[in-house]
Amino acid sequence: AQSVTQLDSHVSVSEGTPVLLRCNYSSSYSPSLFWYVQHPNKGLQLLLKYTSAATLVKGINGFEAEFKKSETSFHLTKPSAHMSDAAEYFCVVSDPNTGNQFYFGTGTSLTVIP
Amino acid sequence: DAGVTQSPTHLIKTRGQQVTLRCSPKSGHDTVSWYQQALGQGPQFIFQYYEEEERQRGNFPDRFSGHQFPNYSSELNVNALLLGDSALYLCASSLRVSRRQRNTEAFFGQGTRLTVV
Repeated sequence: AQSVTQLDSHVSVSEGTPVLLRCNYSSSYSPSLFWYVQHPNKGLQLLLKYTSAATLVKGINGFEAEFKKSETSFHLTKPSAHMSDAAEYFCVVSDPNTGNQFYFGTGTSLTVIP
Repeated sequence: DAGVTQSPTHLIKTRGQQVTLRCSPKSGHDTVSWYQQALGQGPQFIFQYYEEEERQRGNFPDRFSGHQFPNYSSELNVNALLLGDSALYLCASSLRVSRRQRNTEAFFGQGTRLTVV
């Protein structure tokens, strides 16, 4: 069975400081992993995806994530937070045996303090 | 490319009524999935349609049903609405891949906000 645990429901950082949003996954197969962002009253936008190529994945807006199989983690990072990064972030896992069915984490709300 | 479009954007229904939500997938995509996102929660998978058939289903009652049309657009129907059905309903489109291929990402619409009173 697939599942995702986002370890922090809320993260608060100052503008210009690093961002770390933590995600652990459980999968019976080699998973595909994604990070999506959701701004208020908006749909979900893909930040980045891991599909068994390079373990360090670069996404949009300066975000990146590293797939660590030994730790079953896929943490999202950004070197310097911007005010526009304030949003809800979802870690997602899927595997080929279930087609494109996504399993979402409960989300991490990121606040950026000016 | 219009991306994934959903209609309506907002809807208010009375308990016991029925509702139909609509989704047009991104151009070139043949698979449509529906998700329910309750307030403060992550989206939960309802079901997925491919080639006009329901292929997978999450843990939702039979009150939730759907349809996919030959042009790949889709509808989500919910009967006998309950207060607990109030949520944001998201449609996601993707390109069907074989089990040997890696998943492609899904593109999401902006959702339909359903309020049941």
